[in-house]
Amino acid sequence: KAGVTQTPRYLIKTRGQQVTLSCSPISGHRSVSWYQQTPGQGLQFLFEYFSETQRNKGNFPGRFSGRQFSNSRSEMNVSTLELGDSALYLCASSLSGPANYGYTFGSGTRLTVV
Amino acid sequence: QKEVEQNSGPLSVPEGAIASLNCTYSDRGSQSFFWYRQYSGKSPELIMFIYSNGDKEDGRFTAQLNKASQYVSLLIRDSQPSDSATYLCAVNIARGTDKLIFGTGTRLQVFP
Repeated sequence: KAGVTQTPRYLIKTRGQQVTLSCSPISGHRSVSWYQQTPGQGLQFLFEYFSETQRNKGNFPGRFSGRQFSNSRSEMNVSTLELGDSALYLCASSLSGPANYGYTFGSGTRLTVV
Repeated sequence: QKEVEQNSGPLSVPEGAIASLNCTYSDRGSQSFFWYRQYSGKSPELIMFIYSNGDKEDGRFTAQLNKASQYVSLLIRDSQPSDSATYLCAVNIARGTDKLIFGTGTRLQVFP
């Protein structure tokens, strides 16, 4: 059974640009969440999607957005990149939500903003 | 007050010893609790989850939950150098819909 797949693995962008990250969850998983991980702040919750609807949102500015498609694949977009957006972005999937069995994480996308 | 707090460590234990990792949380309504292990440069992987007060054992790992004290811990028996990693505590915040809130993690070092 394939795991959670995130693309690309590494990305270098310039300040002011925008970026789109992709996540394919485990087959059958309908809940996809996104986290930002930095050395100082740890894992910070961005948002969760379930059945193409954003069900939960963290405390990030509107420059961070996401969506989920009918096949449960998800994308997140960051517009007007800032140096502070440099981080590991992790996608996590679960059957219907994390309450019962937690998440399975993808390998992450390491974004560097220069 | 942070929603989930962990001591950042590092916690250094000799090989074969018991490593004890602790986590406190602020939301009394939290119902499910998770421990993830994250090796350097890798993504977190789930190692234990617990819902009820008391202990839950899985191999060398034991999770302990005390909801009255809002405290969850992870014990690793017979620690091995391969256990050296950052251990993340995650709590399901069930206000509205679920989301997992993570602590910043405790770095464990097991030395031979």
